[in-house]
Amino acid sequence: AQSVAQPEDQVNVAEGNPLTVKCTYSVSGNPYLFWYVQYPNRGLQFLLKYITGDNLVKGSYGFEAEFNKSQTSFHLKKPSALVSDSALYFCAVRVLNTGGFKTIFGAGTRLFVKA
Amino acid sequence: DAGVIQSPRHEVTEMGQEVTLRCKPISGHNSLFWYRQTMMRGLELLIYFNNNVPIDDSGMPEDRFSAKMPNASFSTLKIQPSEPRDSAVYFCASQGEGLDEQFFGPGTRLTVL
Repeated sequence: AQSVAQPEDQVNVAEGNPLTVKCTYSVSGNPYLFWYVQYPNRGLQFLLKYITGDNLVKGSYGFEAEFNKSQTSFHLKKPSALVSDSALYFCAVRVLNTGGFKTIFGAGTRLFVKA
Repeated sequence: DAGVIQSPRHEVTEMGQEVTLRCKPISGHNSLFWYRQTMMRGLELLIYFNNNVPIDDSGMPEDRFSAKMPNASFSTLKIQPSEPRDSAVYFCASQGEGLDEQFFGPGTRLTVL
């Protein structure tokens, strides 16, 4: 079955330290991978995506993610965390479905950045 | 562009009442998605439309839920009759042809008493 997993419910990091939010996927064919962020009482916002090309993709707010085909992972990273990065982060994968493509979202990882 | 617009932002109703949630996608987008988010179940895809046609409604939990998209600029999600377990935040998202990412609305927080 095609799926995406976020193994950590919560990640805690101190401001200024690097952060990593993990994501692994299981899809057939070449994956289209995404990260979205959700701030309190808001809808999800697109951060970045990997379609093809360079394994390291850069996105909004200084975030980047590394695609690793052998490990089927797409971890989100940031070199120096900010308190304002505290939010809920979703990894997602686009899969081929009857009638077209649809996006499967992970369960989400809550990031807490402490001052 | 105003982005995806959802109304109402908050809805409180009593069990058994009909609830209608509304969504206006971004102009020019041809795909529309309805999601439900709860603490217990996370983000669930309920149904999605492509060019106003329902493509996959396998996520609709029960016959009490129905969705329509009469034109490219409007969609509704209806729950009749509503039950307390339907309490959640309901998101609408749209996606343009040739784009890979979805654009989410602010959500409707539904509380069924």
